[in-house]
This record gives sequence, C-alpha cells and structure tokens, in this order.
Amino acid sequence: GQQVMQIPQYQHVQEGEDFTTYCNSSTTLSNIQWYKQRPGGHPVFLIQLVKSGEVKKQKRLTFQFGEAKKNSSLHITATQTTDVGTYFCAGPGAGGTSYGKLTFGQGTILTVHP
Amino acid sequence: EAQVTQNPRYLITVTGKKLTVTCSQNMNHEYMSWYRQDPGLGLRQIYYSMNVEVTDKGDVPEGYKVSRKEKRNFPLILESPSPNQTSLYFCASSLTRQNTEAFFGQGTRLTVV
Repeated sequence: GQQVMQIPQYQHVQEGEDFTTYCNSSTTLSNIQWYKQRPGGHPVFLIQLVKSGEVKKQKRLTFQFGEAKKNSSLHITATQTTDVGTYFCAGPGAGGTSYGKLTFGQGTILTVHP
Repeated sequence: EAQVTQNPRYLITVTGKKLTVTCSQNMNHEYMSWYRQDPGLGLRQIYYSMNVEVTDKGDVPEGYKVSRKEKRNFPLILESPSPNQTSLYFCASSLTRQNTEAFFGQGTRLTVV
C-alpha cells in the first residue's frame, strides 16, 4: 500500500536557525497536505499543495511539492519558540484499495532552544 | 463555531469491556475518519467514511468498528479492547473525500489495562 515517509524524526535547533522536514511518498500524489501539532494539542491544517513544482509561502514557512509529485518539503526560516511542535505531511490515496485513505508521515518533532 | 467534538477526552478501561468514543462535527462535512497516534508511528488511519452509510477500512482497522448513520456523527467502537489499543485517538472531518483540509477533534487518550 501507499507509504509516506518523513525525515528527520527529530530536529533540535537554536532559536533563529532554519529548519527543514522532508516527505516522500511511495506513489504519485494528487496533492499533499501539511499539518502542525503543538505539544498536547491536535493536528492543525497548514497548507495543501496540488501542482507539480508548486511553492507556497506563509510568512517564515516555505512549502514545496516536487516535480514528480512524490515528495515535498517544509522549510522554516529563523525558527522561533512558537514553531515548536510536530509537523506532519499527508497524502491521499490514489485509487483501488487506497481510494479514500489519507496517509500521514511519521512526523518531525521540532524543538527550539531559546 | 466550526468544530469536531470528541468524547471522552480521557478514558481508562479494562481489557474486554466494550467502549464507544463519540465524534461529532457541525460543518456538514461528508468525509470523516479516525486515527490513532503512537510515538514514532505518526497518525495511522483506522476507518474512514465518505458519507452516510459509507465506511471503509484504513490502515489499522483490526479491533475497531465504526458506523455513520448520520452525517454529523462517526462513533468509534472497541468491542473488546486490549492493551495494544492504548493510544491517543483523533477524529477528523473534511468537506469532501480526503483531499481537502481536515479538521481534527481534541483527541481521546485511551488506556486499556
């Protein structure tokens, strides 16, 4: 079945450093979504990318969707303590037995040291 | 306020005692799903529902049941809970299918002893 792999599993940074998490799917995706989960909280939608090669920015966050639509990345510039949390990517199933499924990566836990 | 409401938030139960975790959304969403979250494994989809009376298995459905009799409600049923079902559970809904923004409930932390 479809697999979505995310690396790294953990990332510790000093405040002000940059951070990147990568997401790779075993199958071509129609779109990819990114979510953030604060410690003790629930996942919250950040963004959805649909087009091949798409790049979207939200303030200090930059999201990219690969040309082959099988990988994606989230880059945070100059991290702040408010960026702490777990970042997940998620990809929908394409068809067959995967139709209707939404598969999440394992998540990257980001800690920021002030 | 648009939201997904799960109950209970915390539950400790004993092996074999049937339980139901409720999930309700007020956004008229068609697509609803259940996930479990375990350390190092991310969010794994248990069951999903594309609409009323339409449910299907996710990646880890063993030991769980669901029903979708009304559009707003999607309860998760554990007929005979076991300790390996100790986990953090999230219900989520989205407007259509699984390729639009998902709204998550607050989570239910379940412990089976």
